[in-house]
Amino acid sequence: EAEVAQSPRYKITEKSQAVAFWCDPISGHATLYWYRQILGQGPELLVQFQDESVVDDSQLPKDRFSAERLKGVDSTLKIQPAELGDSAMYLCASSHWGVGTQYFGPGTRLTVL
Amino acid sequence: EDQVTQSPEALRLQEGESSSLNCSYTVSGLRGLFWYRQDPGKGPEFLFTLYSAGEEKEKERLKATLTKKESFLHITAPKPEDSATYLCAVQGSGGSQGNLIFGKGTKLSVKP
Repeated sequence: EAEVAQSPRYKITEKSQAVAFWCDPISGHATLYWYRQILGQGPELLVQFQDESVVDDSQLPKDRFSAERLKGVDSTLKIQPAELGDSAMYLCASSHWGVGTQYFGPGTRLTVL
Repeated sequence: EDQVTQSPEALRLQEGESSSLNCSYTVSGLRGLFWYRQDPGKGPEFLFTLYSAGEEKEKERLKATLTKKESFLHITAPKPEDSATYLCAVQGSGGSQGNLIFGKGTKLSVKP
């Protein structure tokens, strides 16, 4: 069964350091999403890609967060510099097209000290 | 503004004790309502998609239903392995297409 892959699964970093997360969507899925989930809350969208283009990054804190999907396949989300409030689960999801069922990866648990 | 409210926040059941989880929503043009299961420290696992009022879907002990204002996830004769957080999300036609708006979830505990 095809799955969304993410790495690393866990990341501990100090405040002001840079961190990067990687996501490989289900093969053939054109749309890729990055969500952030704070403990006890539902996931919230950070950025949505359609192939290699950004469709929605309205909730992405662009002063410190960046995301890319250069070849329209895998994607990287970067935070520089990390702040204490960035501690959360970062989830990647993919879907065939812009609407429809999204399938999530296992997530990256980020702890900022 | 699209919004999803789930209730209760937490639910404790005895094994075999059936119950329902509620998801109330407001959305401009519903494209789909989604139910996910999330185990601690893991990503959400897809359960169901519902597209229109009156639609129902079943999977093992779970049954999801949809009206114009809410969805229910019915759990029949639950087992301890059903313990998890159940997330409801909507996808609307306004704003960014594809964006899922999630509720905070219902944490279900099933005791043997």
